[in-house]
Amino acid sequence: EAQVTQNPRYLITVTGKKLTVTCSQNMNHEYMSWYRQDPGLGLRQIYYSMNVEVTDKGDVPEGYKVSRKEKRNFPLILESPSPNQTSLYFCASSFLAGGSGELFFGEGSRLTVL
Amino acid sequence: GESVGLHLPTLSVQEGDNSIINCAYSNSASDYFIWYKQESGKGPQFIIDIRSNMDKRQGQRVTVLLNKTVKHLSLQIAATQPGDSAVYFCAENSGGSQGNLIFGKGTKLSVKP
Repeated sequence: EAQVTQNPRYLITVTGKKLTVTCSQNMNHEYMSWYRQDPGLGLRQIYYSMNVEVTDKGDVPEGYKVSRKEKRNFPLILESPSPNQTSLYFCASSFLAGGSGELFFGEGSRLTVL
Repeated sequence: GESVGLHLPTLSVQEGDNSIINCAYSNSASDYFIWYKQESGKGPQFIIDIRSNMDKRQGQRVTVLLNKTVKHLSLQIAATQPGDSAVYFCAENSGGSQGNLIFGKGTKLSVKP
């Protein structure tokens, strides 16, 4: 089944404790992206990747890192999480760059930073 | 489920009626638009898309209308069903190498049985 898989789905952590949210897609998609979703603010892009080893900042990249060593994986790294990073995070992928084709989303990762 | 529905405009319709969800987009240079549906506790799911060289596109029970003059997009759902209850987002892409879709805030659709 074609899908985007995120882990963990739910996580509660404390300020400053490094964490990684993994994302994997099995559709051989070139483009991958991370979004955060907050009430009243909608979906905002954090980072995106056009292809392996090519990543770039989205609209709200502060406090986050990403890597794209393999085509299928695009982990989101929070080196020192803070409470304002409490949010619902979505990974998405697309065969073509985000404006040229359908984005497939994962099921979301709910992160709470205390 | 996730609380993504907070602070959103809400449309409440009776089962079997038609629904119209509206979206104003921001960039007159945008050339590609998508509607997504997000059910509680799930990620957004593609419904239908339209390019700027069209003003109407139909899918199964859904129609998207594009009015470039007033930068307005609408999603029409025919014979709305309880399973259509969700938050609906429009997204626009203004082209360029970034390929970033800009999402609207969303509209919550509630279907009364």
